[in-house]
Amino acid sequence: NAGVMQNPRHLVRRRGQEARLRCSPMKGHSHVYWYRQLPEEGLKFMVYLQKENIIDESGMPKERFSAEFPKEGPSILRIQQVVRGDSAAYFCASSPPRGAGTEAFFGQGTRLTVV
Amino acid sequence: SQQGEEDPQALSIQEGENATMNCSYKTSINNLQWYRQNSGRGLVHLILIRSNEREKHSGRLRVTLDTSKKSSSLLITASRAADTASYFCATDKNDYKLSFGAGTTVTVRA
Repeated sequence: NAGVMQNPRHLVRRRGQEARLRCSPMKGHSHVYWYRQLPEEGLKFMVYLQKENIIDESGMPKERFSAEFPKEGPSILRIQQVVRGDSAAYFCASSPPRGAGTEAFFGQGTRLTVV
Repeated sequence: SQQGEEDPQALSIQEGENATMNCSYKTSINNLQWYRQNSGRGLVHLILIRSNEREKHSGRLRVTLDTSKKSSSLLITASRAADTASYFCATDKNDYKLSFGAGTTVTVRA
């Protein structure tokens, strides 16, 4: 059973370009979470999705960022018109339907560098 | 503001020694989890402790939780070079939104 798969592992974009980050959850997991980690900091929650639904996007910047988790295929975190401040590691986690004490499994992350 | 705050920020120990790090949080929680992150890698889940539990063990790891003080500790016994990593505590109030601290960086010297 493969773990949470994220691709690409590293992504370089010029300012103003679009970045698309993909996350395939573990088999049997229907819940996906995206987190951002700035250098020397902990992870910050961005968004929580179930299939075809955004459940909580309270951590998403209001502009340029969007996320989806379609019925088929991976979850996508999309950043339009990237700026240098978007440079960070973006982690995806997945879990089965949540209950008390459900563990979330994290992917290896995508490291975005904006030049 | 971050919910979990780890202390110390950095820890350097000799192989074979024990490493202890602490986590404090501000609001009530359902669960507290500890994760390990090796440099440039993803997070590995170590242990989850529920708010009604006081202590849990997993191999060389021992986690305590004191909800009255809103704090938790992670003890790694008989440390190894492979334990060199950053350790994060994460709390959740509603079973999905994890709040992470900035982490404790542990270096185990051979």
